[in-house]
Amino acid sequence: TQLLEQSPQFLSIQEGENLTVYCNSSSVFSSLQWYRQEPGEGPVLLVTVVTGGEVKKLKRLTFQFGDARKDSSLHITAAQPGDTGLYLCAGRGGSNYKLTFGKGTLLTVNP
Amino acid sequence: DVKVTQSSRYLVKRTGEKVFLECVQDMDHENMFWYRQDPGLGLRLIYFSYDVKMKEKGDIPEGYSVSREKKERFSLILESASTNQTSMYLCASSAPGSAYGYTFGSGTRLTVV
Repeated sequence: TQLLEQSPQFLSIQEGENLTVYCNSSSVFSSLQWYRQEPGEGPVLLVTVVTGGEVKKLKRLTFQFGDARKDSSLHITAAQPGDTGLYLCAGRGGSNYKLTFGKGTLLTVNP
Repeated sequence: DVKVTQSSRYLVKRTGEKVFLECVQDMDHENMFWYRQDPGLGLRLIYFSYDVKMKEKGDIPEGYSVSREKKERFSLILESASTNQTSMYLCASSAPGSAYGYTFGSGTRLTVV
């Protein structure tokens, strides 16, 4: 069974601070995705990374896929209260159908 | 705007009842999934389907069954609801291929009393 470990589990910061959350595995993934989930809603896809070493930027969010395709990070610059939510990483391994999800990082950005 | 629609946002059912959770997608996606989400346990896959009338067990299928008679609709059935099935249930769909993500519904919060 492929597992994805996310850290930290909880993160509470002030508006304007920078942060990084991590997603690690001992398994290789063909692609990795990040989702954000707001309370009472389903997760929403933010980005997909496919190539080892790939870096993608989405406004103040920077996503990186590890060279060995076993890990990923999400960096947020100058966090805002609207960034509050549960951030989930998900990897696709041997199966083309299924994603393996991490348990998430719950981010709270205080004004 | 593409959508995955779950029929109910909140449900309260009694122990032993048969419960149907409905999910409809309008994106012509082949793949559909049912997850439950619980604090500290994350998202756990119950069942998925990669084509009409096709289904495969996920990680926690016990106590559940599914039906996919049409491409756009994937139903989750709790044969005899129990209190340990109280949870948030999330339906998702995706196109085939590793580059595609999931589109999730808004979830159904089921309480079994």
